[in-house]
Amino acid sequence: IAGITQAPTSQILAAGRRMTLRCTQDMRHNAMYWYRQDLGLGLRLIHYSNTAGTTGKGEVPDGYSVSRANTDDFPLTLASAVPSQTSVYFCASSMTGGGGNEQFFGPGTRLTVL
Amino acid sequence: GEDVEQSLFLSVREGDSSVINCTYTDSSSTYLYWYKQEPGAGLQLLTYIFSNMDMKQDQRLTVLLNKKDKHLSLRIADTQTGDSAIYFCAESSNYGQNFVFGPGTRLSVLP
Repeated sequence: IAGITQAPTSQILAAGRRMTLRCTQDMRHNAMYWYRQDLGLGLRLIHYSNTAGTTGKGEVPDGYSVSRANTDDFPLTLASAVPSQTSVYFCASSMTGGGGNEQFFGPGTRLTVL
Repeated sequence: GEDVEQSLFLSVREGDSSVINCTYTDSSSTYLYWYKQEPGAGLQLLTYIFSNMDMKQDQRLTVLLNKKDKHLSLRIADTQTGDSAIYFCAESSNYGQNFVFGPGTRLSVLP
C-alpha cells in the first residue's frame, strides 16, 4: 500500500441499508478525516480523528459514525442510508491535526443511495 | 461559520494565463491552500501560503494573497490542456480542526 486507499470504489445501495466505507493509510499519520463532495458545495467535513482512539464531529456528521481503533484505519459507517447521502466520499490524512498540515486524499468512493 | 467562495467555472485558451479567485471570511485564517482535483481522482495539494505572505511563486504557479480583502488568487502561466481540472481553495487556522474548502472552480483549457 502506498499512501491512502479507500474501498469500495463505488457502491449502489438501497435506502435503509447499513454501509461501511473503508479507509486505510500507511503513512503513520496521526490525523484522519472523512469528507463528502457534492456539486457546487465543495468538500464538507463529516468526522475527523486527531489520533487513534479519538474522534470528533465535523460540519455534517448526522447519519454517519466513525471509529479509530488503530492508526491506519478510519472506517465511516452509514447506519441506515438515505438518498441525501448520495455523494462522493473522500478520506484524507495528515501528519497531525490542525492547520498547516498538508492533507493527503484517497481516490474517493462514489455512493449512490436509491 | 467560516466560508470560502469561488466562481464555479473558468475557460481559457491553451497558452494563456488562468487566474482563479477565492474569497474567505475567517480573519483568523493562517494557512491558505490550493488543491487540484483531476477527473475521478482525489485532491492533491498544489501550493499553500501563510497569511503573513503576500505572494508565493512556484514554477508556473503564482499565489497572491490580499489579507485585508480576504482574497486569494492562483495564476497559472502558459496554461496547458493537462491543467484542466477542478481547483479548490481552502483555509485553516492554527488552532482550528477544519480545513474549510470552497466549492471548486472547474478550469477548462481550450485548444
